[in-house]
Amino acid sequence: ILNVEQSPQSLHVQEGDSTNFTCSFPSSNFYALHWYRWETAKSPEALFVMTLNGDEKKKGRISATLNTKEGYSYLYIKGSQPEDSATYLCAFSNSSNTGKLIFGQGTTLQVKP
Amino acid sequence: SQTIHQWPATLVQPVGSPLSLECTVEGTSNPNLYWYRQAAGRGLQLLFYSVGIGQISSEVPQNLSASRPQDRQFILSSKKLLLSDSGFYLCAWSPRGGYTFGSGTRLTVV
Repeated sequence: ILNVEQSPQSLHVQEGDSTNFTCSFPSSNFYALHWYRWETAKSPEALFVMTLNGDEKKKGRISATLNTKEGYSYLYIKGSQPEDSATYLCAFSNSSNTGKLIFGQGTTLQVKP
Repeated sequence: SQTIHQWPATLVQPVGSPLSLECTVEGTSNPNLYWYRQAAGRGLQLLFYSVGIGQISSEVPQNLSASRPQDRQFILSSKKLLLSDSGFYLCAWSPRGGYTFGSGTRLTVV
């Protein structure tokens, strides 16, 4: 059974704090690692797709790194803002044919003004 | 442009009643399609995926079924709902570079 673990489960930070969360996934038969941002009552929004060991992606104040050999990815948010409050999901794929993604349970971030 | 439609947005159904949730994709052909569910306090769980018309793969044993009668239509069904079927259901399709999700259906079985 493929398992994707995210930690912490939830996080409360003050506006302006920088934060990071972890996603761990099976290191064998790796194809891609995805990060999504999910706000309540909305569809998950794609942040990053990473496929190569050592990949680093950045989008504004949010960045992510990937280590496929040890099976983990970090998501960083620099200078958190209240609008960053959401659940951040990571998802692992070991197949390019079916495109199936196995999701972690998510990290719920709340940024207090 | 490519869009995905999912309906209804919310649904309250009694135990034992049937279910039909529909998802359609526009602006693409032969997409891979997926049904996910988030039960209370849990992550997104893959229920079914389809790589073509009439081709359905089930990921977990359950009270639900899926069908793909047309290339861009994916339907999630149940003959008799259980309380444990309550949750948030998301349809998705996969262009290159990740999923695009529908807006979701909040199902409450009472």
